[in-house]
Amino acid sequence: EAQVTQNPRYLITVTGKKLTVTCSQNMNHEYMSWYRQDPGLGLRQIYYSMNVEVTDKGDVPEGYKVSRKEKRNFPLILESPSPNQTSLYFCASSFNRGVHNSPLHFGNGTRLTVT
Amino acid sequence: ILNVEQSPQSLHVQEGDSTNFTCSFPSSNFYALHWYRWETAKSPEALFVMTLNGDEKKKGRISATLNTKEGYSYLYIKGSQPEDSATYLCAFVDNTNAGKSTFGDGTTLTVKP
Repeated sequence: EAQVTQNPRYLITVTGKKLTVTCSQNMNHEYMSWYRQDPGLGLRQIYYSMNVEVTDKGDVPEGYKVSRKEKRNFPLILESPSPNQTSLYFCASSFNRGVHNSPLHFGNGTRLTVT
Repeated sequence: ILNVEQSPQSLHVQEGDSTNFTCSFPSSNFYALHWYRWETAKSPEALFVMTLNGDEKKKGRISATLNTKEGYSYLYIKGSQPEDSATYLCAFVDNTNAGKSTFGDGTTLTVKP
């Protein structure tokens, strides 16, 4: 089944404890991206990757890191999480090199709470 | 950060009503406009990808139109059903940056039986 898989689905952690949210897609998509969603707001782009070894900042990259060492995986790293990073996170991928005329396929989301 | 606005923020209709809502986006540097449907406890799913001024797309009872010159897109639902209850998101892609998409805050539709 074609899908984008995020893990974990739920995570509660404490301020400053490094964590990684994994994202993997099995559709051979070139483009991958991370978003966060907060109450009353739409999806805000954190980082994206046009292809292997190519990553760029989105609108809200502060406090996050990403890597794209292989095509299928795009982990999101929080080196020192803070309470303002409590949010619902989505990973997404699309076929084309860019978010042009190819729709995004979303993972199931990761609800992160930082205390 | 680009300004993409959706209105109304929320909408409550009766089963069988037809409804529509709006996505406004910058009229310059247009490349594509995406519509997604997001049901509670699920992940967003693509409805339409629109790229040409005057585009009209249809999927069942849902259709969308696009006006790139004035910077808006309408989503229409004909004969709303309770299963149409969801948040509808639009995302603007501009032609100066292939990787960035800017989402609106969404319109939450509730259809009462």
